[in-house]
Amino acid sequence: DGGITQSPKYLFRKEGQNVTLSCEQNLNHDAMYWYRQDPGQGLRLIYYSQIVNDFQKGDIAEGYSVSREKKESFPLTVTSAQKNPTAFYLCASSIVGSPQYEQYFGPGTRLTVT
Amino acid sequence: AQKITQTQPGMFVQEKEAVTLDCTYDTSDPSYGLFWYKQPSSGEMIFLIYQGSYDQQNATEGRYSLNFQKARKSANLVISASQLGDSAMYFCAMRDFRDDKIIFGKGTRLHILP
Repeated sequence: DGGITQSPKYLFRKEGQNVTLSCEQNLNHDAMYWYRQDPGQGLRLIYYSQIVNDFQKGDIAEGYSVSREKKESFPLTVTSAQKNPTAFYLCASSIVGSPQYEQYFGPGTRLTVT
Repeated sequence: AQKITQTQPGMFVQEKEAVTLDCTYDTSDPSYGLFWYKQPSSGEMIFLIYQGSYDQQNATEGRYSLNFQKARKSANLVISASQLGDSAMYFCAMRDFRDDKIIFGKGTRLHILP
């Protein structure tokens, strides 16, 4: 089955620690995205990548970093510089080249930092 | 800059009634796509419907239709004959042709009453 996997589903960390969220897709999509969702809020774009070894900042990139070394993988690191890291993180992927292609989403990772 | 606005934070609708969820957008790109997603309490994102900026007719998918008014930059979702399972968060999203960036509105929480 083609899809996007995110692991783990729940993640707990102590303040001051960096943490990396995994995102893998086997849909052969070129574009991948990371969103943050706070309770009762919409999705805010953190980073996105249209091709391997290239990525762009979204609206709230501060305190986060990404890499895109392989087409199928787009891990997100939440650094200690992120002031309020507790949130629900969603990874998505899509075909590029036309506005008509919808995004496919992973199940998300709920990160709690105390 | 791109922008999506959903002005209804929450709605309560009686089962079997039709419901309209509002979405307005702003973009300077003539080529763009508009999407609606459903997010149940489980957190997964479910793609519902797509409308292209050059599409002449309103999109329909089963009980979902998109009321696209290009001059008003409006893309409202209409759900006919609502069901209890329609209770969820609904997000409007836009993608333009320039950079594959996809942005979301803040969402509308829909409650279907029995």
